Amino acid sequence: EVQLLQSGGALAQPGGSLRLSCAASGFTFSSYAMSWVRQAPGKGLEWVSTVSSNSESTFYADSVRGRFTISRDNSENTLYLQMNSLRAEDTAVYYCAKGGPTVLSPFDYWGQGTLVTVSS
Amino acid sequence: DIQMTQSPSSLSASVGDRVTITCQASQDISNYLNWYQQKPGKAPKLLIYDAFSLETGVPSRFSGSGSGTDFTFTISSLQPEDIATYYCQQHDNLPFAFGPGTKVDIK
Repeated sequence: EVQLLQSGGALAQPGGSLRLSCAASGFTFSSYAMSWVRQAPGKGLEWVSTVSSNSESTFYADSVRGRFTISRDNSENTLYLQMNSLRAEDTAVYYCAKGGPTVLSPFDYWGQGTLVTVSS
Repeated sequence: DIQMTQSPSSLSASVGDRVTITCQASQDISNYLNWYQQKPGKAPKLLIYDAFSLETGVPSRFSGSGSGTDFTFTISSLQPEDIATYYCQQHDNLPFAFGPGTKVDIK
């Protein structure tokens, strides 16, 4: 059974940093692209970032490029999102999502979500 | 960047009704269109991928059609457990884009 278990959400101050983690099991993690998608309170879904299966390629939404870094550890089956220079508008539930063998694939499994609140 | 629109933004229907949601892409995305269901407080769930392919385990009352820029999602007979918000999403090109969502509830 595919499972994506997220951790790391919290309250952060504007300008602060947080790191989110997503521990994967039930599939060959190193063979699939992985992504982060967020949802601001009461709003729709917004794609944040994607990393290819071998970490060779990373992609970011304009809203987070230069502030967020996606990475993965295929030996530990874990996906990360390092978030720096946080802003109030980054407040959202963040979901990790499993993609396909290629970057341009649907998100077929999702983590449970973790809330990030940016406030002073 | 590709923009996605959906209509309606919300709808109310009776149990057993046929429900249809449309999604439009700002440019040709071939059949690279997915549909997700999100229930309150839960993560999204993939229902339909590549415009019309039903994800494993998803009931056959859900279906999708379309190609190019215009797509349709249908629930053939609405059930109480289908109350949710439905999102379309294109995976033809980055940045990935979701539609704004359609909230479905029971009349």
